[in-house]
Amino acid sequence: RKEVEQDPGPFNVPEGATVAFNCTYSNSASQSFFWYRQDCRKEPKLLMSVYSSGNEDGRFTAQLNRASQYISLLIRDSKLSDSATYLCVVLFSGGYNKLIFGAGTRLAVHP
Amino acid sequence: EAEVAQSPRYKITEKSQAVAFWCDPISGHATLYWYRQILGQGPELLVQFQDESVVDDSQLPKDRFSAERLKGVDSTLKIQPAELGDSAMYLCASSPRPQGISYNEQFFGPGTRLTVL
Repeated sequence: RKEVEQDPGPFNVPEGATVAFNCTYSNSASQSFFWYRQDCRKEPKLLMSVYSSGNEDGRFTAQLNRASQYISLLIRDSKLSDSATYLCVVLFSGGYNKLIFGAGTRLAVHP
Repeated sequence: EAEVAQSPRYKITEKSQAVAFWCDPISGHATLYWYRQILGQGPELLVQFQDESVVDDSQLPKDRFSAERLKGVDSTLKIQPAELGDSAMYLCASSPRPQGISYNEQFFGPGTRLTVL
């Protein structure tokens, strides 16, 4: 079983749509969680951290469910510029700031 | 804005040849990471340095891969000999020196795209 699992997609949505991605992780001792965004042929960039209480940054909302070991990302009012791959990332608690990446979920927003 | 630099950006080589990648982290960042990202997958950590010391190389194929960060600043990753399955994006990242258990954001360079023929 992979340590971090995501639906690879692609999710094809029209502009203005709301779309949600989920991710599950296997290590119950993991402490920190993140969503990274990766544009085609570019490097990953931190989109947002995920906190137990849930957190919002503009059109983006991230939530963590520790009991079920899943993380979600909700994007409201999708823009063409949101088209990218969204990587679910878990900080490996036994490591030295070691990140474990999911394979990513691809989002394509069309006019 | 400070960035992680990598070179070359693209490398095409034949199998059994040697290749080397270079990374210059953000100035002052003590921790440096090399990742490999195969198409359709997420980045996978190959090796992690704290200053000049390796703190994690558990996923580095040591029979053909080597990495060094001699002065604790820039770093090189070498593959010898390259195999077809090594075709991937090689990403370098850096982060500030750890402070307790808090997470330090890793900043990624643009990567080196390797194609082995």
